[in-house]
Amino acid sequence: GAVVSQHPSWVICKSGTSVKIECRSLDFQATTMFWYRQFPKQSLMLMATSNEGSKATYEQGVEKDKFLINHASLTLSTLTVTSAHPEDSSFYICSAPVGALPSTDTQYFGPGTRLTVL
Amino acid sequence: AQTVTQSQPEMSVQEAETVTLSCTYDTSESDYYLFWYKQPPSRQMILVIRQEAYKQQNATENRFSVNFQKAAKSFSLKISDSQLGDAAMYFCAYRRVGTTSGTYKYIFGTGTRLKVLA
Repeated sequence: GAVVSQHPSWVICKSGTSVKIECRSLDFQATTMFWYRQFPKQSLMLMATSNEGSKATYEQGVEKDKFLINHASLTLSTLTVTSAHPEDSSFYICSAPVGALPSTDTQYFGPGTRLTVL
Repeated sequence: AQTVTQSQPEMSVQEAETVTLSCTYDTSESDYYLFWYKQPPSRQMILVIRQEAYKQQNATENRFSVNFQKAAKSFSLKISDSQLGDAAMYFCAYRRVGTTSGTYKYIFGTGTRLKVLA
């Protein structure tokens, strides 16, 4: 099946620094990728839709300047948490739909990145 | 706006027995997709089963089957012959049908933690 990877799998940083998380589709091209945030024992909350070659679409309440998304190629999207603070500590997951529009109906998820901000 | 509700925060089942996880949703759309995803302790989201709303036949995947009641907006997951490896968080998800990237968004329920007792 389709594979989506994330790097790093975990990261610890100091408050005030920026952290970049990569999401790659390994065996397919993804014009769209999604970034989710998951707090412990909670569901996945969509943060933004990453679009190759154009600006990301952010969900209501998500700070665009804090969570920078760049979809530089058909296989790579990056999420940069700028000036990270302890409240940004969470599990970040990306996903990408597989297949051609409009029939595709399944997303594949990356393994997630655990961010801890000290 | 669409919503997905999982009313069972936690369920337990004896190994080899059958368990049913509940999911209800709210939408004004007539066509959409529904999914069950499994999230084991590794946090990797794994697709269990999917259902197209226009199909009356309930989807099945080996030991996993759904009971899709469109009029009642209910989408339950039945796991037969439960195995220890089935222990995980299970998320119900909804997705609209469409051709734009925005319609690929998944709306997740809050999840049900399944424990399998040996």
